[in-house]
Amino acid sequence: AQSVAQPEDQVNVAEGNPLTVKCTYSVSGNPYLFWYVQYPNRGLQFLLKYITGDNLVKGSYGFEAEFNKSQTSFHLKKPSALVSDSALYFCAVRDTSHPVSNFGNEKLTFGTGTRLTIIP
Amino acid sequence: ETGVTQTPRHLVMGMTNKKSLKCEQHLGHNAMYWYKQSAKKPLELMFVYNFKEQTENNSVPSRFSPECPNSSHLFLHLHTLQPEDSALYLCASSRTGGFSAFFGQGTRLTVV
Repeated sequence: AQSVAQPEDQVNVAEGNPLTVKCTYSVSGNPYLFWYVQYPNRGLQFLLKYITGDNLVKGSYGFEAEFNKSQTSFHLKKPSALVSDSALYFCAVRDTSHPVSNFGNEKLTFGTGTRLTIIP
Repeated sequence: ETGVTQTPRHLVMGMTNKKSLKCEQHLGHNAMYWYKQSAKKPLELMFVYNFKEQTENNSVPSRFSPECPNSSHLFLHLHTLQPEDSALYLCASSRTGGFSAFFGQGTRLTVV
């Protein structure tokens, strides 16, 4: 079975400081990893993904994430936080050992989310 | 806007009511999904449709009944719900090999 853990329910960061939102995963095969962001009263928006290749993945709004296979982690980072980054962040994983139909549907498993608050 | 539209945005219903949630996408995606988002719990995948065919039902109670008349539309029919069914219901879609799912804004459901 695949699973995702986001160990922090809440992360507070001062504006302008670097931020990190943590995510660890568990899969039986190789993972596809994703970060989504949810602003108040909105659905989830895709931020970035790791499929293969470079361990450092760059995404939308200046965010990046580093895939670390030995630590089974995929932490989300940003060098300088903005107040507008305040939102709920979800990490998700798909185990590539799961059978994939020809239709390519996403059997994503999500974490419980981390609420990021950027303090002015 | 992600291209996935859900209506209504908010719904309050009694336990004996029957209502439906609607999801629509014109992104050319062939897969559509219903997720349930409850406070402090992971997103729960409820149903998956590929080319209008249901390919997954994650042990969802029969009081939730999905319908996918075509690849662009997905419904979730609700009847005799319980207060614990109150949650944000999210629709998503994806395309073959795209790896990324696009989500709607959700329907905030309150069962009274």
